[in-house]
Amino acid sequence: AQKVTQAQTEISVVEKEDVTLDCVYETRDTTYYLFWYKQPPSGELVFLIRRNSFDEQNEISGRYSWNFQKSTSSFNFTITASQVVDSAVYFCALSFYNQGGKLIFGQGTELSVKP
Amino acid sequence: GAVVSQHPSRVICKSGTSVKIECRSLDFQATTMFWYRQFPKQSLMLMATSNEGSKATYEQGVEKDKFLINHASLTLSTLTVTSAHPEDSSFYICSARGAPGDTEAFFGQGTRLTVV
Repeated sequence: AQKVTQAQTEISVVEKEDVTLDCVYETRDTTYYLFWYKQPPSGELVFLIRRNSFDEQNEISGRYSWNFQKSTSSFNFTITASQVVDSAVYFCALSFYNQGGKLIFGQGTELSVKP
Repeated sequence: GAVVSQHPSRVICKSGTSVKIECRSLDFQATTMFWYRQFPKQSLMLMATSNEGSKATYEQGVEKDKFLINHASLTLSTLTVTSAHPEDSSFYICSARGAPGDTEAFFGQGTRLTVV
């Protein structure tokens, strides 16, 4: 089965707290790509990161960081010092080498950052 | 680069009518476009994949006669919801991929369809 699971449906934090959004995926393919997207209330999808299956290096971009662990099939996303503008639904997604652009999305995590 | 424009962003139509949604790649040629649907508070589900010049491939459970997809050029794909019903009210979003070997597609802004 090819699947993405985001077990956290909703998370609520207070501004400046750190928050981690979990993502677990299932696939038997050896070449695949993992993504995170942000969806604000307006609806558009904002691309955050893409990771290929051969690159397990963690990545940091400003307040955002990602932890990719193939051993646990996880690709978790941490926001450090959260801000109200981070409030959105965040989706983790999976695609495959021979199906570039065709995404399997997780259920999404709605993050609410309160002032 | 890699800009995808979707139009309209919002549309309200009467039950029984048809509505067309356009997805354009503005600065690249898209050999493949994907159409997703998202019901409120739910995830995005792939509806169909369209390749320029050929028939779309629909995912299981998606009615191809109801959701007509046309990808007549390398920069434009259209989704027509025929005989719309209130249960078709949803957020529809497209993405476009350039060359067949590309590993990423770029999303349009989405269209919020309300059928009354």
